[in-house]
Amino acid sequence: QVQLQESGPGLVKPSETLSLTCTVSGSISGHYWSWIRQPPGKGLEWIGYIYYSGSTNYNPSLKSRVTISVDTSKNQFSLKLSSVTAADTAVYYCARRPSGSYGQVDYWGQGTLVTVSS
Amino acid sequence: DIQMTQSPSSLSASVGDRVTVTCRASQSISSYLNWYQQKPGKAPNLLIYAASSLQSGVPSRFSGSGSGTDFTLTISSLQPEDFATYYCQQSYSTPRTFGQGTKVEIK
Repeated sequence: QVQLQESGPGLVKPSETLSLTCTVSGSISGHYWSWIRQPPGKGLEWIGYIYYSGSTNYNPSLKSRVTISVDTSKNQFSLKLSSVTAADTAVYYCARRPSGSYGQVDYWGQGTLVTVSS
Repeated sequence: DIQMTQSPSSLSASVGDRVTVTCRASQSISSYLNWYQQKPGKAPNLLIYAASSLQSGVPSRFSGSGSGTDFTLTISSLQPEDFATYYCQQSYSTPRTFGQGTKVEIK
């Protein structure tokens, strides 16, 4: 059973960088690892994903501000979102997309609320 | 970006009812369509992938159909634990996009 757990600050000041880490129980190898967010009371937005080997794919709407990285030795992957504003306030989920799949997300973290406020 | 449009945005139904939610893509996505269920305060849960394949552990009352641009999620007999919000998602191309959600409420 794969488990994912997000960690990081719950409060970030405007213009600063949001940083989150997702720790995966089980092997991180062989799969794609995603970040997805959900503003309070709203729908889901795909941020991007990283393959365990390090190749990335980002949402163009966020691409200039997003970096996703992976540390296979720690079974972790991370999200950095720079120059945040109140519009980046959301629950951030880390998730797994199995390799060789139809692109579905089969395991999700519980989510972590990040509030952007001074 | 591929736009995903769900209908209805919300519906009221009773336990035992047959419920249908539709999802339309702005261009053909073949069968690259997934359905998720989300309960308040929880992460989404994968129900259906590849338009019609039931995820392991998901009750058989859930089913999916469609291809191209038009898709359907059906709950054959609504149970109390099925009251939730349902999202479709296309995985045909990036950026991945979701429908706006359909909230299924108790009648």
